Amino acid sequence: DQQVKQNSPSLSVQEGRISILNCDYTNSMFDYFLWYKKYPAEGPTFLISISSIKDKNEDGRFTVFLNKSAKHLSLHIVPSQPGDSAVYFCAASAGNQFYFGTGTSLTVIP
Amino acid sequence: DAGVIQSPRHEVTEMGQEVTLRCKPISGHNSLFWYRQTMMRGLELLIYFNNNVPIDDSGMPEDRFSAKMPNASFSTLKIQPSEPRDSAVYFCASSLVQGRDTQYFGPGTRLTVL
Repeated sequence: DQQVKQNSPSLSVQEGRISILNCDYTNSMFDYFLWYKKYPAEGPTFLISISSIKDKNEDGRFTVFLNKSAKHLSLHIVPSQPGDSAVYFCAASAGNQFYFGTGTSLTVIP
Repeated sequence: DAGVIQSPRHEVTEMGQEVTLRCKPISGHNSLFWYRQTMMRGLELLIYFNNNVPIDDSGMPEDRFSAKMPNASFSTLKIQPSEPRDSAVYFCASSLVQGRDTQYFGPGTRLTVL
């Protein structure tokens, strides 16, 4: 059973607009959340993280929001750029265990 | 810095054969992780090591899978015997310390078992 779910396998957005990627989790013990970005034929690379004591973390064009009551995580990219086209994985951590979602493929259309 | 190195990048083998995947973590990193990526389940953590010692192998799917880390600069993931359902991309990642530290992933090994 998937403890971290990304229900949208793909998303297309116009360049310059906002991209919103969503992630849901089931385990209330998760206390640290991450987003990774993956290009074809490469390994995932760390993008941004958030601790459960926060509800928002921002890094340049990337902002992660955490809604603990809804067990929901989202990544906002604004403005979206063609180079953002990749697969995005969300991950959740409890202790030393990491659980990843199935990924959302983002396409930013020029 | 060379990053995490994995070999081979691609492996095609026949059912029943032994497969060995190799990983060289980033120098100085103390934690090493093996993941498997499939379309259905995304990235699954198979096993991780801390200071060359296996800490949690609860993600290893079956006894056919085994992993070793004989020293700080090398790890192997072995599948014996391999089956078609083992076909996936296998990633190795390393981090400086155990826990929440950023993991750095290798490029992965795409395994196809015919």
